[in-house]
Amino acid sequence: DQQVKQNSPSLSVQEGRISILNCDYTNSMFDYFLWYKKYPAEGPTFLISISSIKDKNEDGRFTVFLNKSAKHLSLHIVPSQPGDSAVYFCAASRSGGYQKVTFGTGTKLQVIP
Amino acid sequence: DTGVSQNPRHKITKRGQNVTFRCDPISEHNRLYWYRQTLGQGPEFLTYFQNEAQLEKSRLLSDRFSAERPKGSFSTLEIQRTEQGDSAMYLCASSLVGTGEAFFGQGTRLTVV
Repeated sequence: DQQVKQNSPSLSVQEGRISILNCDYTNSMFDYFLWYKKYPAEGPTFLISISSIKDKNEDGRFTVFLNKSAKHLSLHIVPSQPGDSAVYFCAASRSGGYQKVTFGTGTKLQVIP
Repeated sequence: DTGVSQNPRHKITKRGQNVTFRCDPISEHNRLYWYRQTLGQGPEFLTYFQNEAQLEKSRLLSDRFSAERPKGSFSTLEIQRTEQGDSAMYLCASSLVGTGEAFFGQGTRLTVV
């Protein structure tokens, strides 16, 4: 039972353009959402998070949008840079913070120079 | 380096052997998590500790798996009688209670032959 779904295994974007990574979830009890980035041979690194009381959170080039009614969130990267090329994982938690977190399967982003 | 440290980075073992992995979290972090990641999947939650107490275990953690955090600092994950299906990346992460992110180590890649 995949409670957090990332339906696009890969995405290619030109440098300077917007990257949009999507994530859907099925468990309505999730109230905290995170995005992690992972480079090969490294552990995931935290990127940005959002609580269910918000619908948008920004941090520099990264913005996460949450649509609770659709059980959907997205990560926008503007402008995309070649160093953003990595696998991006969406994750969700029921505890309002980081506790038992469920990860999606990941989307591999390639930013083309 | 004050990040999460995992040892060994790679382990090749024969089926039926026991293996033990170690995780040293960020020193002031009171929570420690173990995940397993297989190819094409996101990290799957195995178990987590708050200080020395193991608070939750996933159904993925069969009787052959045991984790400890004896003094609330480092943790070990032992797999007994390894099977080929245990081949995966084992990730450790740590966090402070009440915070919204966890920091991951680089993982231990286990190959069972």
